[in-house]
Amino acid sequence: EDQVTQSPEALRLQEGESSSLNCSYTVSGLRGLFWYRQDPGKGPEFLFTLYSAGEEKEKERLKATLTKKESFLHITAPKPEDSATYLCAAPSGSARQLTFGSGTQLTVLP
Amino acid sequence: DGGITQSPKYLFRKEGQNVTLSCEQNLNHDAMYWYRQDPGQGLRLIYYSQIVNDFQKGDIAEGYSVSREKKESFPLTVTSAQKNPTAFYLCASSIHTGRGNQPQHFGDGTRLSIL
Repeated sequence: EDQVTQSPEALRLQEGESSSLNCSYTVSGLRGLFWYRQDPGKGPEFLFTLYSAGEEKEKERLKATLTKKESFLHITAPKPEDSATYLCAAPSGSARQLTFGSGTQLTVLP
Repeated sequence: DGGITQSPKYLFRKEGQNVTLSCEQNLNHDAMYWYRQDPGQGLRLIYYSQIVNDFQKGDIAEGYSVSREKKESFPLTVTSAQKNPTAFYLCASSIHTGRGNQPQHFGDGTRLSIL
């Protein structure tokens, strides 16, 4: 069964304290790994797609990386406005569906 | 601006009542999806549609129904058969490339509660 697991479930950081979020997957024949940001009461906002091991994508203070078994979302010198739930997802089954992890709730304290 | 519009933002259902959630997109995307999100859980797929007049059940389709009469619209009906409908419902769309590896883009959701 395809699975996507995120850790930690929750993370509290001081402003400027860099860290990483983990997304491990057991999807056979990976056809992409997606990262999203979700604010309370809103829909997920697309951040990155990674297609192959070794690939990296960056956007402001965020950098996503991919290996054969997991993906990391690195947050460098975070600010309070980076507080959100970060979701990762991978195509599964017939590849028409996305399997989502349960997310990491990030809180950045001023 | 292109995007996905869900309405209403909040919805209340009485016992035995069917309710319909609206989802409209102007991104010219072929594929559309409905997810349910419960606190502390990931998104779970209810139904998806790759083309007009065609749709498939997702992992938790029981108690729900959909239609896809127009490319830009994919309404979801929560029927009285769905015994635990209280949740946050999200609609998404994507370009249908045939490879399933294009990102999905989401609306801002409808929160459904039971009266």
